[in-house]
Amino acid sequence: AQKITQTQPGMFVQEKEAVTLDCTYDTSDQSYGLFWYKQPSSGEMIFLIYQGSYDEQNATEGRYSLNFQKARKSANLVISASQLGDSAMYFCAMSPEGGSQGNLIFGKGTKLSVKP
Amino acid sequence: EAQVTQNPRYLITVTGKKLTVTCSQNMNHEYMSWYRQDPGLGLRQIYYSMNVEVTDKGDVPEGYKVSRKEKRNFPLILESPSPNQTSLYFCASSSLDPREQYFGPGTRLTVT
Repeated sequence: AQKITQTQPGMFVQEKEAVTLDCTYDTSDQSYGLFWYKQPSSGEMIFLIYQGSYDEQNATEGRYSLNFQKARKSANLVISASQLGDSAMYFCAMSPEGGSQGNLIFGKGTKLSVKP
Repeated sequence: EAQVTQNPRYLITVTGKKLTVTCSQNMNHEYMSWYRQDPGLGLRQIYYSMNVEVTDKGDVPEGYKVSRKEKRNFPLILESPSPNQTSLYFCASSSLDPREQYFGPGTRLTVT
């Protein structure tokens, strides 16, 4: 069975510092997609970044990068230069078939708090 | 503007009273899904649909029904709601491009 594990229920980071949010996954599929979403206190789900299992380069989107280590089955999110607006819940998710089917399995989330 | 809409946004109801949460997308996406979010559990998939008239169960389908008669709409039906279905519900749609995954604003349901 496919599974996403986020081992950090909550984290603190100082403003302007970098932070890494951990995510490990379990799947027997060869083709899958990995996602990170942000959920601020207002409740909406905001797509941050996507990594396909066959992508050789780590995905980057602005201040977000995904540290993809296939052999370790990890897909950690790195946020550089944290801002107060980064305080939110962060969810790692996985989808089979490279991620194209919209069939997402989510982790339980990490609550990030950015301190001024 | 690309968007997924859900209605209602907030609903308080009583046990056993049938209700429908509507979901509509304007992007001609093939795939649509329903998730529920509960504290400490993350989001769990209820049902998903790969196209019109094609639906499949997710991880927590008990007590829910869906239908996909039109590509743009994917309503979630609770025929006899119970208090354990009190939750935050999200509808989502996506295309073949995995980066095109859009979530609706959420529906907060309370069943008393």
